[in-house]
Amino acid sequence: QKEVEQDPGPLSVPEGAIVSLNCTYSNSAFQYFMWYRQYSRKGPELLMYTYSSGNKEDGRFTAQVDKSSKYISLFIRDSQPSDSATYLCAIHSNDYKLSFGAGTTVTVRA
Amino acid sequence: GAVVSQHPSRVICKSGTSVKIECRSLDFQATTMFWYRQFPKQSLMLMATSNEGSKATYEQGVEKDKFLINHASLTLSTLTVTSAHPEDSSFYICSANRGEPEAFFGQGTRLTVV
Repeated sequence: QKEVEQDPGPLSVPEGAIVSLNCTYSNSAFQYFMWYRQYSRKGPELLMYTYSSGNKEDGRFTAQVDKSSKYISLFIRDSQPSDSATYLCAIHSNDYKLSFGAGTTVTVRA
Repeated sequence: GAVVSQHPSRVICKSGTSVKIECRSLDFQATTMFWYRQFPKQSLMLMATSNEGSKATYEQGVEKDKFLINHASLTLSTLTVTSAHPEDSSFYICSANRGEPEAFFGQGTRLTVV
């Protein structure tokens, strides 16, 4: 079993829709939960990180963590074509060694 | 802030030669740097952890004699792929931490071995 499971998609939505992404993890020692965005042939760009259960908002992005279920989510409101990218969840247990999900490829259609 | 620069962005080399990739933290001192490898349409796989002034720690299955890592200063780590072969062709990405949970990534290096 992989440490972090993420549906690779692909996911295609119309412009303005809400994009919902999620990951599950198996190691309860994980403490830090991050979402990265990666455009083709580029390095990942940090979107958000959180360390506690609950919601965290940043503009159109909301990260959600449920430690009891070992489930994390990222929601993108009012999605734009420029949001088209691969979204990766990444988790670590305070040793900075990130375990990545497979990444979900998102296409927002104009 | 928190800019990580990786160089070169793309390199093509002949089979049997060695290639060096540099990773620099431009505006902060990196306590730890990491090297990842990413195959097409796959996620990032951690290769090794690099700490300044000490030997790198390699993940299981990564050949330390093939992927040489040197962390000469708090702002520079290098990955040398020695005696490269076509199966080493991949996207190599470094990341750096500054004592906080977030990791900041370089732009990546696309290595093609012909």
